[in-house]
Amino acid sequence: AQSVTQLGSHVSVSEGALVLLRCNYSSSVPPYLFWYVQYPNQGLQLLLKYTSAATLVKGINGFEAEFKKSETSFHLTKPSAHMSDAAEYFCAVSGTGNQFYFGTGTSLTVIP
Amino acid sequence: EADIYQTPRYLVIGTGKKITLECSQTMGHDKMYWYQQDPGMELHLIHYSYGVNSTEKGDLSSESTVSRIRTEHFPLTLESARPSHTSQYLCASSERTRVDGYTFGSGTRLTVV
Repeated sequence: AQSVTQLGSHVSVSEGALVLLRCNYSSSVPPYLFWYVQYPNQGLQLLLKYTSAATLVKGINGFEAEFKKSETSFHLTKPSAHMSDAAEYFCAVSGTGNQFYFGTGTSLTVIP
Repeated sequence: EADIYQTPRYLVIGTGKKITLECSQTMGHDKMYWYQQDPGMELHLIHYSYGVNSTEKGDLSSESTVSRIRTEHFPLTLESARPSHTSQYLCASSERTRVDGYTFGSGTRLTVV
């Protein structure tokens, strides 16, 4: 079975500080992992994805994530937070079929 | 530009009314999905389709129904809306799901009063 756990439903960082959003997964098959971002009153937009190639994945808007199989983690980072990064972030793992399993989301607040 | 469209964006409707949430995509994707999203909760899959005339219920029990008569169109219908149906509904589509992930629409925020 597949599942995703996002630690911390709310994260606050100062503008210019490091952003770290945590995601741990459980999967009975080699996982494909994704991070999505959702701005207020919008749908979800793909940030980046891991599909068994390089373990360090770079995405849009300066975000990156590292796949660590030994820790079953896929944490999302950004070196320097910007006000425009304030949004809801969802980690997702693909299942054995054509579906995804999403975490409960982490709301990122950026303090000026 | 290839995209996925949901209408309406916002809907406030009275109890007992019949409603249809529209979802259309221009990418030719075979696979389409409806998710329900409530604050602080994970996205719950309520319906999916892998092609024309193919529809299945998802993990979350829902009183809604869907149809897939054309590849590009995947509407969701509630025959009799109730306050418990108040939620955000997200439509998504994909081609190579495991590799490419989903493309999401902007969502419909439904409020039943």
